[in-house]
This record gives sequence, structure tokens and C-alpha cells, in this order.
Amino acid sequence: DSGVTQTPKHLITATGQRVTLRCSPRSGDLSVYWYQQSLDQGLQFLIQYYNGEERAKGNILERFSAQQFPDLHSELNLSSLELGDSALYFCASSAAAGLIDTQYFGPGTRLTVL
Amino acid sequence: GQQLNQSPQSMFIQEGEDVSMNCTSSSIFNTWLWYKQDPGEGPVLLIALYKAGELTSNGRLTAQFGITRKDSFLNISASIPSDVGIYFCAGRGAQKLVFGQGTRLTINP
Repeated sequence: DSGVTQTPKHLITATGQRVTLRCSPRSGDLSVYWYQQSLDQGLQFLIQYYNGEERAKGNILERFSAQQFPDLHSELNLSSLELGDSALYFCASSAAAGLIDTQYFGPGTRLTVL
Repeated sequence: GQQLNQSPQSMFIQEGEDVSMNCTSSSIFNTWLWYKQDPGEGPVLLIALYKAGELTSNGRLTAQFGITRKDSFLNISASIPSDVGIYFCAGRGAQKLVFGQGTRLTINP
């Protein structure tokens, strides 16, 4: 158990819909990272927040957005969903701001878009 | 999105054999990372490399940061059943973190 929690574990929805994935970092960690893992694209870094502020951006689509709240939990919002958005979405956390700091991954949310 | 070229894509070996995998890129990276992902779980960081030419070990795992800063290697010695999983390399540049496609390791007892 990494100490990072993600909800829900599974999510099934339809194209065009909007969903919110939630992540709670390890106690004391200030950075939260979001990743997308699909069969054909591998593991893709989406975005990082550090202490409430956006820190680094990866291959995140404009239809996706994220935020980190004062209690440090984070939400990833996916809108106008397409079939290709079906993937595992991981959240990770680390103590500091650097992209290469040791990141602890959560168990992931499996999103299926029908 | 940009990807690293990780090879091989899969490996089927006998328990006790040594394993080698590598990642290459057309871009220079400042840091190379190696992760392992077990089924149904998130990736776990194995080794981080910060300098060109650096050779770092973590138990039976050894990784190297290529001199050109465009590649990295991971070796696993004397494989055991719990080494099964998917291994990912990742390269960090200026505000970017790019992952390889993964190497799936299967071990026959």
C-alpha cells in the first residue's frame, strides 16, 4: 500500500459525458501527478500540481483539467469523453516539487467509455 | 505524445537468468528513471539516474545512464519469480517526463 488513494476504482460511462477522478496523496506529500495508461500509448504524464499550483504539464488534452485543493487532494476532470479516453488513470504523490522526486503511485482508476 | 523506444517489448526467460533491457531517445534527458509495475498496481520506482555515465545498483538491479544522455540500460541478475511484471523507463527533460512503452518480463520456473 503506497498510501495514495484513488476513487473510484472503476468507472463506466458513455461518450460525451464528463467524469471526475479523485486522488488523495500520501500524508505530508505536497505534489500530485496524474498519468494516463492505455494499451497503445503506454504511460503518459498528464500534469503535476504542487501545493495547489500547477507545476508541470505533459500530454494533457484541453478536454481534461485538474486541480489541487487546500487539503492537497486532487481531482482530474475529463469532459466530452471519447472512446479513446478509456484507460487506467494513475495518481502519484511526492514530498517535493521536482518531477524526479520519488513518486508513490495509487492503485489507479479504470475508465471505460462506451 | 513523445515516447521513448524501449526494447525488448517482452521477454520470456528461465528463473535464474540475467535480464537486460534498454531505452533510447532522439532527445537528451537530464534524468533517467526505471519503474516496475505489477498487475493491477501502480508503477514503483526502482532506480533513478542523474548523471551521464552513472551506474547505479539496487540489489540485483543495475542501471546505467548513457554517455550521450539519450539512452539508459537496466540489468537484472539471477532473476526470481517476483521479478515478473512490466518495466518502464522514463526520461526527464525540461519540464517534461516521458515514458517508454514498457518491457513485459515473464519467468518460467
